[in-house]
Amino acid sequence: AQKVTQAQTEISVVEKEDVTLDCVYETRDTTYYLFWYKQPPSGELVFLIRRNSFDEQNEISGRYSWNFQKSTSSFNFTITASQVVDSAVYFCALSGRNTGGFKTIFGAGTRLFVKA
Amino acid sequence: EAGVTQFPSHSVIEKGQTVTLRCDPISGHDNLYWYRRVMGKEIKFLLHFVKESKQDESGMPNNRFLAERTGGTYSTLKVQPAELEDSGVYFCASSQERTRNSPLHFGNGTRLTVT
Repeated sequence: AQKVTQAQTEISVVEKEDVTLDCVYETRDTTYYLFWYKQPPSGELVFLIRRNSFDEQNEISGRYSWNFQKSTSSFNFTITASQVVDSAVYFCALSGRNTGGFKTIFGAGTRLFVKA
Repeated sequence: EAGVTQFPSHSVIEKGQTVTLRCDPISGHDNLYWYRRVMGKEIKFLLHFVKESKQDESGMPNNRFLAERTGGTYSTLKVQPAELEDSGVYFCASSQERTRNSPLHFGNGTRLTVT
């Protein structure tokens, strides 16, 4: 089965705290792609990062970092020193041959509240 | 460059009525997708156009949903007749490449409420 699970429905933190959003996936593919998208209050989903299954290097972009571990089928997202502007819904997503066609499978999202 | 635009942003209709959602993809993006998110659940795939052709419509819930993309530019998604379970946020997305590693460019979505 092809599936993305984001077990955390909502997370609330205080500004400047670090926060990790969990993402666990299931796939039969050996080649697949993982994504994170951010949905701010304005509504549109904004692409944050893509990771290929054959590249397990972690990535850091400013206050954002991603930890990809094939052994645990996880692709977690950490925000360091969170800010109010980070408040949004974050979606983890998966694409591969077995998701069918060129569709992307999304998790249910994690809503992050960052309080000042 | 203009992003993906969707119209209307909100629609409230009664059960049994018809609603048409519109999506204008980014200019030059041949690939257009419709997705739907129902009340806090996963964003689910509905269908994929390549230019004016339906590449994959495996996610369309039933024959009350009709999507078109005449001329390969904008797309419409019609729900007729609407049922209560059709309520949700309908997202349109586009991409330039037809590859599985292509990020999607999303619109703001249309929030549909069926009462």
